[in-house]
Amino acid sequence: DQQVKQNSPSLSVQEGRISILNCDYTNSMFDYFLWYKKYPAEGPTFLISISSIKDKNEDGRFTVFLNKSAKHLSLHIVPSQPGDSAVYFCAASANAGGTSYGKLTFGQGTILTVHP
Amino acid sequence: KAGVTQTPRYLIKTRGQQVTLSCSPISGHRSVSWYQQTPGQGLQFLFEYFSETQRNKGNFPGRFSGRQFSNSRSEMNVSTLELGDSALYLCASSFGGYEQFFGPGTRLTVL
Repeated sequence: DQQVKQNSPSLSVQEGRISILNCDYTNSMFDYFLWYKKYPAEGPTFLISISSIKDKNEDGRFTVFLNKSAKHLSLHIVPSQPGDSAVYFCAASANAGGTSYGKLTFGQGTILTVHP
Repeated sequence: KAGVTQTPRYLIKTRGQQVTLSCSPISGHRSVSWYQQTPGQGLQFLFEYFSETQRNKGNFPGRFSGRQFSNSRSEMNVSTLELGDSALYLCASSFGGYEQFFGPGTRLTVL
């Protein structure tokens, strides 16, 4: 049972345009969501996160939107740059009373290619 | 601040052997989580250690085990290796547990 799903295996965008990566989840207990970027043979790099009490979080070119009723989150990258080309993973955690138990559930990833 | 380090980076073993992987977290981080990445299953949680105690465990067989030392460094051990254990093993550390920061991984190949 895949609790976190990224239904688009790949996305191709032009440099300077917006990249929108999507993620759906099924577990209502998830209350914290993260996006990671990964290059081959390297560990994931943390990009941005959002708590379930918010619906938007921005950090520079990256914005994450959370729609709890739809159990959907998205990552917007504006403007997209060729260096953004990588695999993007969304991840979720279910925490209790403010304590995180260090378990992230990951989606399968979306390969983003930004063309010059 | 130095990032998460993992040793060794690459490892080749044969079926039936055992292996120990090491992870040094970011200074001050007390939580260390381990993940396995394979092409078929993606990134899957193995276990998490906090203050030398296993606090959370994923759905892996008992051949996979770990421990954490008083300086927060962690090791994971896989006994009786199988071909399917070939994977990238990732370690992540966190301060409060929410944002996890990953190391470069150990690529294990089982022949």
